[in-house]
Amino acid sequence: GEDVEQSLFLSVREGDSSVINCTYTDSSSTYLYWYKQEPGAGLQLLTYIFSNMDMKQDQRLTVLLNKKDKHLSLRIADTQTGDSAIYFCAETPPGSYQLTFGKGTKLSVIP
Amino acid sequence: GAGVSQTPSNKVTEKGKYVELRCDPISGHTALYWYRQSLGQGPEFLIYFQGTGAADDSGLPNDRFFAVRPEGSVSTLKIQRTERGDSAVYLCASSLSGMGETQYFGPGTRLLVL
Repeated sequence: GEDVEQSLFLSVREGDSSVINCTYTDSSSTYLYWYKQEPGAGLQLLTYIFSNMDMKQDQRLTVLLNKKDKHLSLRIADTQTGDSAIYFCAETPPGSYQLTFGKGTKLSVIP
Repeated sequence: GAGVSQTPSNKVTEKGKYVELRCDPISGHTALYWYRQSLGQGPEFLIYFQGTGAADDSGLPNDRFFAVRPEGSVSTLKIQRTERGDSAVYLCASSLSGMGETQYFGPGTRLLVL
């Protein structure tokens, strides 16, 4: 497809793991990003992965990259109520300065 | 350190009016970007500056939109003859140099055109 695609909603219980999935458009994209947006706020960079990596771990966050399927996922371990937000997947296609974003996944954490 | 700042945080205007939105990038960042985020959507690219020059303005929707960065730091996004469809959050980002660099976003300006 032409768009970066994400499921729109995800609901998890506090303490469980959350997995947010994304399908991106260009298998040659060099960097892939996850941004977090809390209500009324701007975008906060959570983590990114370089295209020659399969996995990146940063504290509670684990990013998995499947280049063959153009699939990116973000796992949040021990999800907390403060993790409730919209999570955006984004790519930078080769030769481009632009970030191309998905529509975002709204994560709701149930106490 | 100081992040990207944007002013005003909210702007309400009437259809047909002119508005200016300001962005202060992170000090030392030569690359600056503007994005527009409509309700329920991800941000969409508008324009990219490298220094003082607009290196890519392919995302500007029409000639009512214009942006400047005269001294290579602060940028202003200008919208003429605003329309209701211009209502959105306008996000600014900066990065250290350009291609391949992580973009850091400001809090955005929420524009409402009545």
